[in-house]
Amino acid sequence: EAGVTQFPSHSVIEKGQTVTLRCDPISGHDNLYWYRRVMGKEIKFLLHFVKESKQDESGMPNNRFLAERTGGTYSTLKVQPAELEDSGVYFCASSISFNQPQHFGDGTRLSIL
Amino acid sequence: AQSVTQLDSHVSVSEGTPVLLRCNYSSSYSPSLFWYVQHPNKGLQLLLKYTSAATLVKGINGFEAEFKKSETSFHLTKPSAHMSDAAEYFCVVSDGYGGSQGNLIFGKGTKLSVKP
Repeated sequence: EAGVTQFPSHSVIEKGQTVTLRCDPISGHDNLYWYRRVMGKEIKFLLHFVKESKQDESGMPNNRFLAERTGGTYSTLKVQPAELEDSGVYFCASSISFNQPQHFGDGTRLSIL
Repeated sequence: AQSVTQLDSHVSVSEGTPVLLRCNYSSSYSPSLFWYVQHPNKGLQLLLKYTSAATLVKGINGFEAEFKKSETSFHLTKPSAHMSDAAEYFCVVSDGYGGSQGNLIFGKGTKLSVKP
């Protein structure tokens, strides 16, 4: 069984540019989560999809962040325009149901210059 | 609100000696607790989970954790450290009620170093 896959593994962009992160969950997992770890801080929840619907987006920091999950398969997280404080590692996780363990991808390391 | 506190940011042990990584939690109801491990440049891997069954939980790679409600603790232990155990470990509680179904709340992490 393929695990959670995230693209790209690293991204370096300049402040003001746009970046799109992608997450492919484990096949059949309806629940998809995005988390972020800013340097020196703990990993924080961003949002949760159930299939294509946003179940909870209370952790999204501001309206520069847009997450989508068209068709209930892969998800994208777009940051536009990127700011310096957006640097960090963005993790995606999926689970077959909300009360089952979440399986994590390797993360995307995002650096804003 | 639920939270977890990892009491040590860095723990160093010698290979073959016991490992103890400490975690305290705060929850207004019976929590779901987890330990995850992250090796360098890798994703988070589930070590073990507690979901109100047995209080002593056995996980992968010889790790185990004991849920102690009276002490609000969920410490992670291993009898004998191996070099491959060097990684960062996260104590996690699941926010499993209300609108945030199953979202994870992470501790700040404990980096484990293993000396030869």
